[in-house]
Amino acid sequence: QSALTQPASVSGSPGQSITISCTGTSSDVGAYNYVSWYQQHPGKAPKLMIYDVSNRPSGVSIRFSGSKSGNTASLTISGLQAEDEADYYCNSYTSSSTRVFGGGTKLTVL
Amino acid sequence: EVHLLESGGGLVQPGGSLRLSCAASGFTFSRYAMSWVRQAPGKGLEWVSAISGGGGSTYYADSVKGRFTISRDNSKNTLYLQMNSLTAEDTALYYCAKGFNDYPFDYWGQGTLVTVSS
Repeated sequence: QSALTQPASVSGSPGQSITISCTGTSSDVGAYNYVSWYQQHPGKAPKLMIYDVSNRPSGVSIRFSGSKSGNTASLTISGLQAEDEADYYCNSYTSSSTRVFGGGTKLTVL
Repeated sequence: EVHLLESGGGLVQPGGSLRLSCAASGFTFSRYAMSWVRQAPGKGLEWVSAISGGGGSTYYADSVKGRFTISRDNSKNTLYLQMNSLTAEDTALYYCAKGFNDYPFDYWGQGTLVTVSS
């Protein structure tokens, strides 16, 4: 199972919006609405930010939103804040009954 | 409050074995599938294995199939990962996470470090 494709890095200034893409195939992202996004700060465990493509867990800021079109899912962060600087990973369930992560995207807040 | 605590990591020689444990609390353990996810030093996340709530179904990434065995003891609220035939490529921080198929990884432990080296 190949990893989902994410950009290695993205950046934005405080207050701006950024979008991180996550491209898979018709066997994973395109087949199921079980796409989730995780935030990981250095030295910390990952934290669930978005699940089932576009749902936010309780306690996650409304600045975080998710969407999907075909085989590509996206995470958008609006009103960037310094605390958003972290690594972000997408994840999808697959037709092989496995889960696959993206390679990760490092977000830099300028 | 959900709490996941991994243990059992350490230094092991290539070809050796190790058994990881994950003690769970704060939720009805037997109702949820559980997973192991690893992260090699400086690298991204890799899903490793999962097990259904009742323990009757298990799933593995191709990279560990035939070498790793996931299991659980619902009477002890504990998840396990038996790792055999370890190689340097298995060196990673191993996280226990609640969730798998139609349920996201909503809670994670802090991880236990496995180092495979001679």
